[in-house]
Order: sequence, then C-alpha cells, then structure tokens
Amino acid sequence: SYVLSQAPSVSTAPGQTARITCGGDNIGIKAVHWYQQRPGQAPVLVLYDDSDRPSGIPERFSGSNFENTATLTISRVEAGDEADYYCQVWDTDSGQQGVFGGGTKLTVL
Amino acid sequence: QVQLMESGGGLVKPGESLRLSCEVSGFSLSDSYMNWIRQAPGKGLEWISYISSSGSTRFYADSVKGRFTVSRDNGKNSLFLQMNSLKADDTAVYYCVKNSGYCHGGSCTNWFDSWGQGALVTVSS
Repeated sequence: SYVLSQAPSVSTAPGQTARITCGGDNIGIKAVHWYQQRPGQAPVLVLYDDSDRPSGIPERFSGSNFENTATLTISRVEAGDEADYYCQVWDTDSGQQGVFGGGTKLTVL
Repeated sequence: QVQLMESGGGLVKPGESLRLSCEVSGFSLSDSYMNWIRQAPGKGLEWISYISSSGSTRFYADSVKGRFTVSRDNGKNSLFLQMNSLKADDTAVYYCVKNSGYCHGGSCTNWFDSWGQGALVTVSS
C-alpha cells in the first residue's frame, strides 16, 4: 500500500515560519490533506486538496505539493500552533483506503 | 453546527466483541459518506473503514477486514462499528468522521472534515 513519510518533529520560534513535509512516491499527482491534533483533542482538518483551507482556518496555513513532497507551511507561528500534524491521501492503487503519514510534532520554542 | 458523538467504548477481553455507535447532528447523515479512524495510545492515526451514504459501498483496512463491520441507520442519524475477535492491537481511541471528497478524471480523493471526540476501546485480559 501507499506509504507517507513525515519527520517525527520540527521546532520553530514564535513569529517564524514552520515547514512540515510529507514524502511519498510521486505524491505530486495525488491530493494531500492535512490535520492538526492538539494534545488530548480530536484532529482538525487544516488543509485539503493540497492547499485549500476550510472555513475558520487562518491564512497563515498554506500548502504545496510537487513531485515527491507535499509541504504544510505555517507562517508567523504562534504558541497555539504547537500540535501534531498529519498528512493524508486516499489511495486508489491498492484498493480504496485512507493513508496517513506518521505525524510530525511541531514544537514552538 | 456539525456534531458527532461516539459511544459504546470500554474494556473487553481478547476475542470478545464490541459495538460502537456514533450519533450525528447538524448535517444530513443520509447525504454523507462516513469513516471510522482510530488512534492507538501515543501513536498516529489509522483509517479503518468507509461507508457510502446509502451503505452500499464499504471499504476496510487490511488490519480489520473480516473482523469489523461498518453500518448505518440514516433514519436514526447513526453510524455503527461492529468489532469482533478483538485483539490487544485494537486498543485505541475510535473516531467517527465525516467524509468529503470527489472524483475527477477517473481518480478519487477523500478527506475527513469533521471528527467526533472519540471512544476509547481497551482490549486486555
């Protein structure tokens, strides 16, 4: 089945830009979706279709997807952005199934 | 306001069964595709099941295929997950999740736009 790879952790200072990557074989041809999970809470969708934001998600959250890497970019990072972030695709090559990356812990220094 | 509320979690022994329910409000369940997604303690997210709006199409992760069954009762605004032959590895928080997606040019994508708060299932002797 399709595999998504994420770095376990990323650290950023407040006000700076955080970039969280998601690697996959030719992921650029797939639609990638991103979720934020704060400690003790359910995940929340922050981007869908590579770069679209659901209602209520700040413009500070943006995304890109090219060749073998999708990227979630968080500009002007705030303390409240500290969370686990997961990328996700829908795999249709190995049956129909949802696939998540292993998650990246964003620490705001 | 979209709300999803899971119930039915608890402690069971290996080999036993459990049925999770998810009651939804704030949207039309009969128009919505739904999923179950789980998260083992301290681990990442794992998609386990998808069901179409009518219930006619269902997909499962290999890890639960043949043991878990997803169903729905649109008239009662409810989604269900019947879990049989439970194993210790099934210990997790189980989330009921609303689906969004589309198909284009023969390829489809789905994402998970609204999540319940989760129900904890513990499988232990």
